[in-house]
Amino acid sequence: AQTVTQSQPEMSVQEAETVTLSCTYDTSESDYYLFWYKQPPSRQMILVIRQEAYKQQNATENRFSVNFQKAAKSFSLKISDSQLGDAAMYFCAYAYSGAGSYQLTFGKGTKLSVIP
Amino acid sequence: KAGVTQTPRYLIKTRGQQVTLSCSPISGHRSVSWYQQTPGQGLQFLFEYFSETQRNKGNFPGRFSGRQFSNSRSEMNVSTLELGDSALYLCASSSGTYSYNEQFFGPGTRLTVL
Repeated sequence: AQTVTQSQPEMSVQEAETVTLSCTYDTSESDYYLFWYKQPPSRQMILVIRQEAYKQQNATENRFSVNFQKAAKSFSLKISDSQLGDAAMYFCAYAYSGAGSYQLTFGKGTKLSVIP
Repeated sequence: KAGVTQTPRYLIKTRGQQVTLSCSPISGHRSVSWYQQTPGQGLQFLFEYFSETQRNKGNFPGRFSGRQFSNSRSEMNVSTLELGDSALYLCASSSGTYSYNEQFFGPGTRLTVL
């Protein structure tokens, strides 16, 4: 079974600074997807960034980028120029890409606080 | 396009009762997945429906069931409620094609079991 581990339950960052959230996963599959989702307080979960395992290039979305280390099964999220609106729970998630299954396996989450 | 909608948003039930939650996916999406979110267990996959068929199921007891209608709207039912069923229930919709497509989450239904 796949597992996703986020070892930092809480983190904080000064506004305009950079923060990195960690995630490790375990799978025996070679083709899969990895995601970072953001869940603001009392608001909907939204996708921040996605990485296909077969792609060596790390994904980037504006201020958000990932460091994907497939051999180490590590998938960290870097947030640059942090803004107050970045404060939220961040979940790392895994999905197997085969068999048309859309099951997401989530980590326990990291609560990010942004200090003005 | 309207987003994923879930009704009701809040629900209070007592132990032993049953409850039905509803999810309307984004127009054109044929896949609906359900997740349970609790402080202790985090986010856990319940099941996924595609074209009215359950395509995948998580590790939950048989008290948790679901279905999907021809218009892709989905319902989940929990029978004989237990205190531990108190949670935020999220549904997510996707186009459902073979290759993975983004799942869009609804706002959730907050279920409290007394």
